[in-house]
Amino acid sequence: NSKVIQTPRYLVKGQGQKAKMRCIPEKGHPVVFWYQQNKNNEFKFLINFQNQEVLQQIDMTEKRFSAECPSNSPCSLEIQSSEAGDSALYLCASSLGGRNTLYFGAGTRLSVL
Amino acid sequence: GDSVTQTEGPVTVSESESLIINCTYSATSIAYPNLFWYVRYPGEGLQLLLKVITAGQKGSSRGFEATYNKETTSFHLQKASVQESDSAVYYCALGDQGGSAKLIFGEGTKLTVSS
Repeated sequence: NSKVIQTPRYLVKGQGQKAKMRCIPEKGHPVVFWYQQNKNNEFKFLINFQNQEVLQQIDMTEKRFSAECPSNSPCSLEIQSSEAGDSALYLCASSLGGRNTLYFGAGTRLSVL
Repeated sequence: GDSVTQTEGPVTVSESESLIINCTYSATSIAYPNLFWYVRYPGEGLQLLLKVITAGQKGSSRGFEATYNKETTSFHLQKASVQESDSAVYYCALGDQGGSAKLIFGEGTKLTVSS
């Protein structure tokens, strides 16, 4: 079983509200990923980190989305002003990096009403 | 661009019958793709089923097999005899061998095994 812990499991927000979710990567994994999985099961890569540094992020993330992975604290993904289209399952994964396997958490399901 | 296409679901198979879920990929920006099958069982998180990082090699796990075919750019998932407990959503994924190892996923195939 994966040891990537995501909280909360469910998050309900109104449009325009801030939504924040957290992820504790598997111990010893320096690389953390955030993905968005929509209702059509499509995965969208959002951002990844190696230790505390951003490796890659998509344009969408640079606007309303922000993420960080501070040392000795959970990683977080925050949507500053939620929109209906942000309703999705947000998946956090961690890895040793390189060719190594990504280990996924159970996800945070965000519903924006 | 880089993409993954897999069998459109849902797929229903009777217990003890054989299964194949097709997966083809396009890796225009990845010189040496790594290929994966992930699975999500009902009520559980996404987990790795098998992976192959070298063209021509076969990966196997829990009775499932997939061969990395560079010529046909395919990585089909097969099982000779499915069980009810194999009911799940299966995702084919493509990754780079580089540092970030970001994965590109297919749209998933929901498998239901009937008894």
